[in-house]
Amino acid sequence: RKEVEQDPGPFNVPEGATVAFNCTYSNSASQSFFWYRQDCRKEPKLLMSVYSSGNEDGRFTAQLNRASQYISLLIRDSKLSDSATYLCVVNNYGGSQGNLIFGKGTKLSVKP
Amino acid sequence: GAGVSQSPSNKVTEKGKDVELRCDPISGHTALYWYRQSLGQGLEFLIYFQGNSAPDKSGLPSDRFSAERTGGSVSTLTIQRTQQEDSAVYLCASSWTGGRTGELFFGEGSRLTVL
Repeated sequence: RKEVEQDPGPFNVPEGATVAFNCTYSNSASQSFFWYRQDCRKEPKLLMSVYSSGNEDGRFTAQLNRASQYISLLIRDSKLSDSATYLCVVNNYGGSQGNLIFGKGTKLSVKP
Repeated sequence: GAGVSQSPSNKVTEKGKDVELRCDPISGHTALYWYRQSLGQGLEFLIYFQGNSAPDKSGLPSDRFSAERTGGSVSTLTIQRTQQEDSAVYLCASSWTGGRTGELFFGEGSRLTVL
């Protein structure tokens, strides 16, 4: 089983739609969780951290289910500018890969 | 500048040649990471530095790949005897906390093409 798994997509949605991405992780000892965004031919950038109680930042909501080892990102009222690849990232503090494991990403395309 | 700086931004080389890729992290960041990303693929971890030491080299794909970091700052990734499968974007990132907060700051990458 891969350490961090995501549906690669692509998700093709119209403007204004609500879209949800899921991510599962294999290490139950993982402590911290994040979503990054990567635009086409650009470097990844941190979108938001994921807290145990769930957290919201404008149109973006992140949730964590530790029991199921599952992370989600919900985007409401999609904008054209939301088109990007969304990377799920898990911190295995003290583990390999400098503590951070990146998923392969889910591609989102928002159409007019 | 204030961000992570990488050079060269583009490098085209012939198979069998050696290449060096440079990364200037954000000043004061103790942790430095190298990743590579092939077209349409995810990030592949290569190596991680904490200060000048590399506690995790597990991602280096072969002994043709090496990296060093000096003065707790600049890092160089060297690929010897390049092969066509080495073609990719090589991304460097730095952080304060060695990944504990999850916020890595990435450079724009060095795009390597091996002919």
